[in-house]
Amino acid sequence: AQSVTQLGSHVSVSEGALVLLRCNYSSSVPPYLFWYVQYPNQGLQLLLKYTTGATLVKGINGFEAEFKKSETSFHLTKPSAHMSDAAEYFCATANFGNEKLTFGTGTRLTIIP
Amino acid sequence: EPEVTQTPSHQVTQMGQEVILRCVPISNHLYFYWYRQILGQKVEFLVSFYNNEISEKSEIFDDQFSVERPDGSNFTLKIRSTKLEDSAMYFCASKIRDRAYNEQFFGPGTRLTVL
Repeated sequence: AQSVTQLGSHVSVSEGALVLLRCNYSSSVPPYLFWYVQYPNQGLQLLLKYTTGATLVKGINGFEAEFKKSETSFHLTKPSAHMSDAAEYFCATANFGNEKLTFGTGTRLTIIP
Repeated sequence: EPEVTQTPSHQVTQMGQEVILRCVPISNHLYFYWYRQILGQKVEFLVSFYNNEISEKSEIFDDQFSVERPDGSNFTLKIRSTKLEDSAMYFCASKIRDRAYNEQFFGPGTRLTVL
């Protein structure tokens, strides 16, 4: 069975500082990995995804994530936080032949001016 | 830009009542989903729907739940007799193709409160 663990339900960073949101997965087969963002009163929006190939994946709004099989991780980073990055971030996984998304519990990112 | 829409944004109901949550997926999408998130917990898969039938459902999706695509645009989730524990945010999603790596597009959610 697939599972996703997000360490830190709340993360606060100063504007301009590095953003690091952690995600670890458990899967018996090679996973597809996703990061979604949810702004207040909006739906989940895809930030980026890993399917196959290059392990460093770039997404929208300057975010990127690196798939590390040896660490079963897919951490989300952004070099310099902006006030508009304040939102809830969800890591999710799916597998070939199993299309449903399995989500982590989410991390609420707060940006300190 | 096309988007998934959901109505209502917030539904309050009494325990035992029936509720219908409505979704309008993106028009050329073929695969439809419902997820829910109980406050403070994970987003959980409920059901997937393709070609007018359920393709997969979770153990949460018991006989009290049903889904329907009554016309060419709407996709509904019905809860026949609501329980307190059904209080959650319900998300609808759709995608164009049946590959697990294809993006699912999510609606803004309906917050269901059962009193």
